[in-house]
Amino acid sequence: AQSVTQPDIHITVSEGASLELRCNYSYGATPYLFWYVQSPGQGLQLLLKYFSGDTLVQGIKGFEAEFKRSQSSFNLRKPSVHWSDAAEYFCAVGIMEYGNKLVFGAGTILRVKS
Amino acid sequence: SQTIHQWPATLVQPVGSPLSLECTVEGTSNPNLYWYRQAAGRGLQLLFYSVGIGQISSEVPQNLSASRPQDRQFILSSKKLLLSDSGFYLCAWSVLVQETQYFGPGTRLLVL
Repeated sequence: AQSVTQPDIHITVSEGASLELRCNYSYGATPYLFWYVQSPGQGLQLLLKYFSGDTLVQGIKGFEAEFKRSQSSFNLRKPSVHWSDAAEYFCAVGIMEYGNKLVFGAGTILRVKS
Repeated sequence: SQTIHQWPATLVQPVGSPLSLECTVEGTSNPNLYWYRQAAGRGLQLLFYSVGIGQISSEVPQNLSASRPQDRQFILSSKKLLLSDSGFYLCAWSVLVQETQYFGPGTRLLVL
């Protein structure tokens, strides 16, 4: 069965420091991978997605993610975190069959220290 | 451009009361539509999805039902709410070719 694991429930980084959020997936076919961000009480906003091609994808707000097939990973990175990046981040794998469903990880809550 | 609306934004309901949450999408035709629930401290659980009018697929057995009376309207309902129905309900849409899901602002439901 398809699954997504985000091993870190909470991460705290200092403002200006680099960030890496981990995501591992389990899916038998070529995965479609997504990162979403959710601010408190809000819906989810798409940060970036990987469908095919270059394994390093750029997203909004200065985020990037790298797809590593050998490690079944799709980690999210940002070189310098801003206080406004504090939010919850979700990794998801797309099941591109009937209905195009998404399977989400449990999420990682990012706290930013000033 | 496409937009997605959900209402109400917040709802407090007694146990045993009915529920109706509405989601509408503008600016696209024949979208795939989805209902997710996000319980406190947990990830997103897909409840229902629809690929067309009147076509509903249920992912988990539960106290809820969904309907799609119009192309861009998706409704989540319950005849009798349970305490465990509390949570944050998110509607999303996608277009088959693009495959990315876009989420609405959500409805926070508290069942007391």
